[in-house]
Amino acid sequence: NAGVMQNPRHLVRRRGQEARLRCSPMKGHSHVYWYRQLPEEGLKFMVYLQKENIIDESGMPKERFSAEFPKEGPSILRIQQVVRGDSAAYFCASSTVDRKGQPQHFGDGTRLSIL
Amino acid sequence: ILNVEQSPQSLHVQEGDSTNFTCSFPSSNFYALHWYRWETAKSPEALFVMTLNGDEKKKGRISATLNTKEGYSYLYIKGSQPEDSATYLCAFIEYGNKLVFGAGTILRVKS
Repeated sequence: NAGVMQNPRHLVRRRGQEARLRCSPMKGHSHVYWYRQLPEEGLKFMVYLQKENIIDESGMPKERFSAEFPKEGPSILRIQQVVRGDSAAYFCASSTVDRKGQPQHFGDGTRLSIL
Repeated sequence: ILNVEQSPQSLHVQEGDSTNFTCSFPSSNFYALHWYRWETAKSPEALFVMTLNGDEKKKGRISATLNTKEGYSYLYIKGSQPEDSATYLCAFIEYGNKLVFGAGTILRVKS
């Protein structure tokens, strides 16, 4: 049973380009979460999605960032017109039904570097 | 703004020592508390999900307790081994599924 798969593991972009980060949840999981770890900081919540719905995006920057979890295919975190401050590790997690006793299972992350 | 505090920030122990860390969280509007173990270059691994005041959970040599009234959880490791070296994260949920993480406790176990 494959775990949470994120790709790419490392992504390098120049300022102004777009970054697309992909996350395939564990089999049977319909809830996806994105977290960001800025340099020298802890994990911070960005967004929580279910299939075709954004449930909570309170941690997403207001501009340039968007996320989707389509009916088919992986969840995508999209960053438009990247800036140096977007350099971070982006982690995706997934869980089963929305019950408070369920852990979130994390992927290995995507390390985004902006030149 | 929710604040989840973990102490100590780092800990160096000898193989065989027992150790414990603290996670403090807001005592109002408690929903759940998660503990994760995070090794370098790997993904955070879920250890425990604690939901009830007085909860005690155990996994091998690692155990955790929860006090929601005073807002703290302890993680204990009995007889530390070098492979226990990792960052231990706690995360608080006030509502829904949004995890608010502490900064973590870095454990290094010397053989």
